[in-house]
Amino acid sequence: DQQVKQNSPSLSVQEGRISILNCDYTNSMFDYFLWYKKYPAEGPTFLISISSIKDKNEDGRFTVFLNKSAKHLSLHIVPSQPGDSAVYFCAALNTGTASKLTFGTGTRLQVTL
Amino acid sequence: EPEVTQTPSHQVTQMGQEVILRCVPISNHLYFYWYRQILGQKVEFLVSFYNNEISEKSEIFDDQFSVERPDGSNFTLKIRSTKLEDSAMYFCASSDIRQGDGGEQFFGPGTRLTVL
Repeated sequence: DQQVKQNSPSLSVQEGRISILNCDYTNSMFDYFLWYKKYPAEGPTFLISISSIKDKNEDGRFTVFLNKSAKHLSLHIVPSQPGDSAVYFCAALNTGTASKLTFGTGTRLQVTL
Repeated sequence: EPEVTQTPSHQVTQMGQEVILRCVPISNHLYFYWYRQILGQKVEFLVSFYNNEISEKSEIFDDQFSVERPDGSNFTLKIRSTKLEDSAMYFCASSDIRQGDGGEQFFGPGTRLTVL
């Protein structure tokens, strides 16, 4: 059951450059999407979210883009910083019927100096 | 900043034993969740809890699992008879309004459960 997929298990980006993390989903009932960041031995930390009525949401260095027709969302981090190195999870929700988050498998981002 | 706490950080148990994982959600939150992450796999939803009852549960959450809010602060996950495949990181989360209405879920640091 891979309703939310992150096809890149890892990504390496130089400090100061843009990091782009991608996520695809198959369930058209999902209407709210979130990105979480996770460090080792810690729980996921909420980063940013987007409702399906929008196609972009920005918060500081983080921007999430949603392409509903392609069932695709992406997280842009500009500029990338070494402290951004972590595993990033995409998650989706059907706000009409459920409170559970469906997570992707995660992308490990490494920001190098 | 308020945070979700979980105890213990690591629990080792023998197969067939009962375990109770404890969580203290953020104090003014009303919705509570348990998720788990088996090593190398994605985070999976187990159960959500609101107004002293289960509001949703996944297929993983079978009769071996139960949740309880025994007092005004703790939220527990009990596994009655642990199996090897229950070995995972268990995360508790809470939110102040229902996710999707703008309320994000705040996660605790997790309890690593090892079943031998």
